[in-house]
Amino acid sequence: DFQLTQSPSSVSASVGENVTVTCRASQNIRSWLAWYQQKPGTPPKLLIFATSRLQRGVSPRFSGRGSGTDFTLTINGLRPEDSATYYCQQGQRVPFTFGPGTKVDV
Amino acid sequence: EVRLVESGGDLVQPGGSQKLSCVGSGFMFSDSDIHWVRQAPGKGLEWVARIGSKAHNYATIYVESVKGRFIISRDDSKSTAYLQANSLRREDTAMYYCVRGVDDAFDIWGQGTLVTVSS
Repeated sequence: DFQLTQSPSSVSASVGENVTVTCRASQNIRSWLAWYQQKPGTPPKLLIFATSRLQRGVSPRFSGRGSGTDFTLTINGLRPEDSATYYCQQGQRVPFTFGPGTKVDV
Repeated sequence: EVRLVESGGDLVQPGGSQKLSCVGSGFMFSDSDIHWVRQAPGKGLEWVARIGSKAHNYATIYVESVKGRFIISRDDSKSTAYLQANSLRREDTAMYYCVRGVDDAFDIWGQGTLVTVSS
């Protein structure tokens, strides 16, 4: 199975700052990497797919980069509503797997 | 409005069975691959199973931990997918989400249905 690790596990930042979350895959997943945002008591929400493609309706403050095994999610100009847990997910090979999550506190 | 709505979650004894349902609306359900993803209380996300659309021959695939115990199926005439969970274990306790898969990402999520396995 393709394992995903995320760093940091949690981060606290102020309104207006930028935050970058890293996701590392155990094997080459090309560009098949997605990012999700989950707030307590709600299902995850797709933010970015195929490494850098912004899901319709998602703020352009969110951006993704990377390829192969190393990927990043950057949130520019943090807002209070960005407080959530962020998960990466690989779609290169079944079983699809998720990272352990990064909790962002604004 | 694009929606997936799950139902069927309940308190089940270890070794018991439960059938989850997922009804889609607002999009072409029959053209969509449907997945189940679960989340144990306070934990991360785990992909469970996928059933392909007709174009993908309704192919099914499962995570190793549920192979032989869970069965995913669909009835496109009812825009409904199912997850039959058998031989349930305490570690199957989770919120089960029905999800649409597109380009190997998950773009539509239901609100989830909770399965609790406990005696």
